[in-house]
Amino acid sequence: DGGITQSPKYLFRKEGQNVTLSCEQNLNHDAMYWYRQDPGQGLRLIYYSQIVNDFQKGDIAEGYSVSREKKESFPLTVTSAQKNPTAFYLCASSPGDRRWDGYTFGSGTRLTVV
Amino acid sequence: GQQVMQIPQYQHVQEGEDFTTYCNSSTTLSNIQWYKQRPGGHPVFLIQLVKSGEVKKQKRLTFQFGEAKKNSSLHITATQTTDVGTYFCAGRANAGNMLTFGGGTRLMVKP
Repeated sequence: DGGITQSPKYLFRKEGQNVTLSCEQNLNHDAMYWYRQDPGQGLRLIYYSQIVNDFQKGDIAEGYSVSREKKESFPLTVTSAQKNPTAFYLCASSPGDRRWDGYTFGSGTRLTVV
Repeated sequence: GQQVMQIPQYQHVQEGEDFTTYCNSSTTLSNIQWYKQRPGGHPVFLIQLVKSGEVKKQKRLTFQFGEAKKNSSLHITATQTTDVGTYFCAGRANAGNMLTFGGGTRLMVKP
């Protein structure tokens, strides 16, 4: 079955460390997105990519970096510059190209700074 | 930039009662989508509305898109404990492919 896979499910990071969250999709979707969700809060856009080798900053990009070298993969790095990284991170994809379909979300990664 | 507001933020209901969440956009939308996130889970796409004044039903759920395409609502008739979760609306402006999510309404149902 096609879907979007995030790993790991839980991640613990020491202060000052960079960590990378994986997001892989086999839906042949052009667009991919990273959202951050804090407890009881909505979704805030970190980065998005409409096409391979191109990505754009979202509303809260500071302290994060991404790459889009392959259509299937959109990893997110949480750098030491992100002052409060503890959150639930959600990756999503959509067909893109102005096809107004719903986003497909991965099951998320819960990042905790220890 | 585009803003999408949702109210209420939280709603407690007794099982069997009805529930409604409202979504308002600062700009005219080309379409609006609704998602449900179960506790501890991830958002799941429910439905998309495109036409002005459109009404769609999914069993006990009724979705409406306003005439001006700036607001939307989700109404659940006779809530069940399986309806528990956070409901998000997400609007797409006329240009581009990006969705802007509302803050969500968290529904809690007492059995």
